[in-house]
Amino acid sequence: EVQLVESGGGLIQPGGSLRLSCAASGFTVSSSYMSWVRQAPGKGLEWVSIIYSGGSAFYADSVKGRFNIYRDNSKSTLFLQMNSLRAEDTAVYYCARDRYFGYWGQGTLVTVFS
Amino acid sequence: DIQMTQSPSSLSASVGDRVTITCRASQGISNYLAWFQQKPGKAPKSLIYAASSLQSGVPSRFSGSGSGTDFTLTINNLQPEDFATYYCQQYNSYPLTFGGGTKVEIK
Repeated sequence: EVQLVESGGGLIQPGGSLRLSCAASGFTVSSSYMSWVRQAPGKGLEWVSIIYSGGSAFYADSVKGRFNIYRDNSKSTLFLQMNSLRAEDTAVYYCARDRYFGYWGQGTLVTVFS
Repeated sequence: DIQMTQSPSSLSASVGDRVTITCRASQGISNYLAWFQQKPGKAPKSLIYAASSLQSGVPSRFSGSGSGTDFTLTINNLQPEDFATYYCQQYNSYPLTFGGGTKVEIK
């Protein structure tokens, strides 16, 4: 059974950094497309970043240069390093598998406040 | 960027109804279109990928169709557990983009 479990969210001040984790099981992370998708309170879904099996990565313009997606294949874990956080980054962050997001985690809340 | 426009933004329906939600892409995306269901406080759930392929475990009353720029999600025989918000998403090109959502409410 495919499972994705996010962690690492919390309260952070603007300009701060946070690292999110997504522990995967039931499939091979290294051979899958893995993404982060976020949802601001009361808003719709926004794709953040994706990493390919070969390691290539793409980012939304809103996070480019500030966020970094990577994975630890030995631990079957996906990460999102978030730097220079802004109030508008406040959201529930989900990890998801496949380019069409066939599987989702339960999400982790990031709140950027001053 | 490819803009995804869903309509309607909300609708009211009764149990047993047939519901159709439309998603239009600002440019052709072949069949790289997915649909999701989201209930309050929960993660989205995959329903459809490749425009018309049913995700494993999803009831057959859900179906998708379309290609190019125009797509539809149809729910036949609407059930109480189907009242939720539905999103479409294109994965033809980056940035991956979602529609604004359609909230299906109880009439």
